Formats: sequence, C-alpha cells, structure tokens
Amino acid sequence: SAVISQKPSRDICQRGTSLTIQCQVDSQVTMMFWYRQQPGQSLTLIATANQGSEATYESGFVIDKFPISRPNLTFSTLTVSNMSPEDSSIYLCSVAGTGSDQPQHFGDGTRLSIL
Amino acid sequence: GEDVEQSLFLSVREGDSSVINCTYTDSSSTYLYWYKQEPGAGLQLLTYIFSNMDMKQDQRLTVLLNKKDKHLSLRIADTQTGDSAIYFCAERKPGGYNKLIFGAGTRLAVHP
Repeated sequence: SAVISQKPSRDICQRGTSLTIQCQVDSQVTMMFWYRQQPGQSLTLIATANQGSEATYESGFVIDKFPISRPNLTFSTLTVSNMSPEDSSIYLCSVAGTGSDQPQHFGDGTRLSIL
Repeated sequence: GEDVEQSLFLSVREGDSSVINCTYTDSSSTYLYWYKQEPGAGLQLLTYIFSNMDMKQDQRLTVLLNKKDKHLSLRIADTQTGDSAIYFCAERKPGGYNKLIFGAGTRLAVHP
C-alpha cells in the first residue's frame, strides 16, 4: 500500500491562528480524504480532496474554516483556520486508489492542541 | 439507528481469543473494515470484507459478517500484548463516493 506522510506530526497553536497540514503520498492516488478525530472519539470525515477542483465538504464543515488544496495526485493540504480550543484534535489524511474495492489507507495524523 | 456501534472496552488474557463486535447501519453498505490504532499512531487497515461474504480469515484474524443482522465481528486468535490498541469498525456507503462511517472504537487491553 501507499506510504503516506503527514506534516507536522503535532503542534501546539495559539487561538485565532491558522495551521496548514500537509499530506504527501509516494504514489499517485485517485482519492484523498481528511478526517478529524476529537479526543477519545471516532473519526469524522471533513471533506474529500478533489484534484483540480474544489473539495467536497461533509455536513458541518465549511471551506472557510477548513480550506483544502489538492494540486496534484500525490499531495494535499488542510488548513485549520482561526483556531479555537474546540479544534484540538487529531487530523488524519487518507488515500484510496481507483476501483470500488480499494480500501482507504491512513497517515499517522497530526495532533493539534490549541491554547 | 444512524451510528456504527461498538462496545468501548474489552480485556483479555494473553493467549486467549478476542472477539470485537460491531453493528453497522446500512444493509446496502458494500464493504466493512477493521482498523487498528495504536497510541500516537494513525489507523492501520487490518482487514476488510465484501458484503456478499460471510467470513474472511487472514492469519490470526477472522471476520464474520451477518448481513441480515448488520453485525460484524473480528476475532483475534492467540491474542498478544502487541494487539493492545483501539479497533475501529467502519462501513462503506454504497456509490462511488467511498465514504466511510466509523464506530467509536473498542479499546482492547491484553493482560498476562
């Protein structure tokens, strides 16, 4: 399976600031996703990052708060904007190949704490 | 209901079998997945099963699927301390979207 690298692995940020998380894959993939895992909780899909077009956001998530870029088939970024303590979470990137039977594979995540 | 449900905690003795259960929501979900999350790490795909299968075995792992009851289980044979982790069940919604709905995770503790 693809090797997925996320940067940074963790960060502590001040409220009101923004942080951009990078996701790099070692091979071209069709689909890239961004998830949030709040402390002690399960994963919630934020959006699907579409190459060459705007991301597709899930209910409850908006582009102004979580802008996403996907300039090519191996790279995506998620920005968490105007952060508040409620944004303290693990943010995970996942990828999947073409084909209905292709599972999603995850990066190690970015652990974000907002003071 | 709308949630994928899992029991939150399971404790087993080293060498015994572990069975982690999951109830999912959508009978038309195409694939069901088991992921493992160790402390400080992301999610590792353990195994997955297509919805028209009843069982899948992969070394120490056995997945059972009861589509009628929308029940999925993961059996880990000869459980080891390295199996201690959180295990997430996920269902894939139908359609080309590849959207996964995750359960809350089951924390497996293996003791000597």
